Amino acid sequence: AQSVSQHNHHVILSEAASLELGCNYSYGGTVNLFWYVQYPGQHLQLLLKYFSGDPLVKGIKGFEAEFIKSKFSFNLRKPSVQWSDTAEYFCAVPYYGNNRLAFGKGNQVVVIP
Amino acid sequence: DVKVTQSSRYLVKRTGEKVFLECVQDMDHENMFWYRQDPGLGLRLIYFSYDVKMKEKGDIPEGYSVSREKKERFSLILESASTNQTSMYLCASSSQGEQYFGPGTRLTVT
Repeated sequence: AQSVSQHNHHVILSEAASLELGCNYSYGGTVNLFWYVQYPGQHLQLLLKYFSGDPLVKGIKGFEAEFIKSKFSFNLRKPSVQWSDTAEYFCAVPYYGNNRLAFGKGNQVVVIP
Repeated sequence: DVKVTQSSRYLVKRTGEKVFLECVQDMDHENMFWYRQDPGLGLRLIYFSYDVKMKEKGDIPEGYSVSREKKERFSLILESASTNQTSMYLCASSSQGEQYFGPGTRLTVT
């Protein structure tokens, strides 16, 4: 089965710092990749997705992610974080013919004002 | 906008009780999912349904069952709740691989 790795479960940084969260998955054959975000007290929502085309994908709130097929990676970045980016971030990769998503264990990001 | 609703935000049940968690989606999606979310473990798939009356076990189906009698509704059943089933339960529906989540039900089993 597909597995998804996210390292550094807890990340603490100051406002205006840059953020990069790594995501690696276990096998290829899929090009649909997702990052979801869960703000405190809110439901899980889509941050950005890659289906095809330009491997650099832009999402909401200034986030972007780069798909590197040779490295089985889909890392999330934001050049300058804000306090409102405090949230938990999950990388997700499809398996079983794109019907299911395998989720990483998440990155809990805390931005200090 | 896709809307996925769950019957309760918070639920407290006693060990051994039968528990029903309801989920409804309004976008005519074929696929629906139940996950549990635990700190440090991410989301783990309990059951998946790809059509009415069709279901497949996910990664952690033990102690759970599901029911899908109508396309828009997917129910998760805990036949005999146990304390290790205390968790956040998330329902989702999907279209073209992208999943849409409900607000979650925080279940506490005492």
